[in-house]
Amino acid sequence: KQEVTQIPAALSVPEGENLVLNCSFTDSAIYNLQWFRQDPGKGLTSLLLIQSSQREQTSGRLNASLDKSSGRSTLYIAASQPGDSATYLCAVRPNNAGNMLTFGGGTRLMVKP
Amino acid sequence: GAGVSQSPSNKVTEKGKDVELRCDPISGHTALYWYRQSLGQGLEFLIYFQGNSAPDKSGLPSDRFSAERTGGSVSTLTIQRTQQEDSAVYLCASSLDRNQETQYFGPGTRLLVL
Repeated sequence: KQEVTQIPAALSVPEGENLVLNCSFTDSAIYNLQWFRQDPGKGLTSLLLIQSSQREQTSGRLNASLDKSSGRSTLYIAASQPGDSATYLCAVRPNNAGNMLTFGGGTRLMVKP
Repeated sequence: GAGVSQSPSNKVTEKGKDVELRCDPISGHTALYWYRQSLGQGLEFLIYFQGNSAPDKSGLPSDRFSAERTGGSVSTLTIQRTQQEDSAVYLCASSLDRNQETQYFGPGTRLLVL
């Protein structure tokens, strides 16, 4: 059974810092990996999707990397802003599943002005 | 265009009562998913629909949980004889089809069973 772990569970940084969120998964047979953002009381917003054949994806100040063989992904946020405060979730889609996603527990990020 | 909508946004019920949660996917999306997000368990997959059929019900936690989808659009998740451990946020997502990777999530229904 696929298990997804995110470290740290919570992170507080001053505005302007670069930061890295970590995600690890136990079964490397994945189809893709996604990073989501969740604001309090809201649904999930997809940030980046990395196919299993890709090594990284970039969108603005966000960069996600994938090392499938070692079961790891990182989300790098450059020049963090208070508006980046949210919970960040990673999720993997297994090869053999009907598009269901297995989620990590999330990292709760607070960026202080 | 409109995103995924869910109703009610909040529901408080007494233990033992039945509840129905509704999801309206993005128009034209054939794939629909239900997830549950609770404090102790994180975000868990419940059930997936392609059109009106549910090829994957593997995540439903017990036979008190059921879901249906009619007309390839609206879906209803029903929980019978609710228990306190059913308290969670129930999230719905849709995608264009099962092969389109991006799932678009609704805001969720926050269920509290007293």
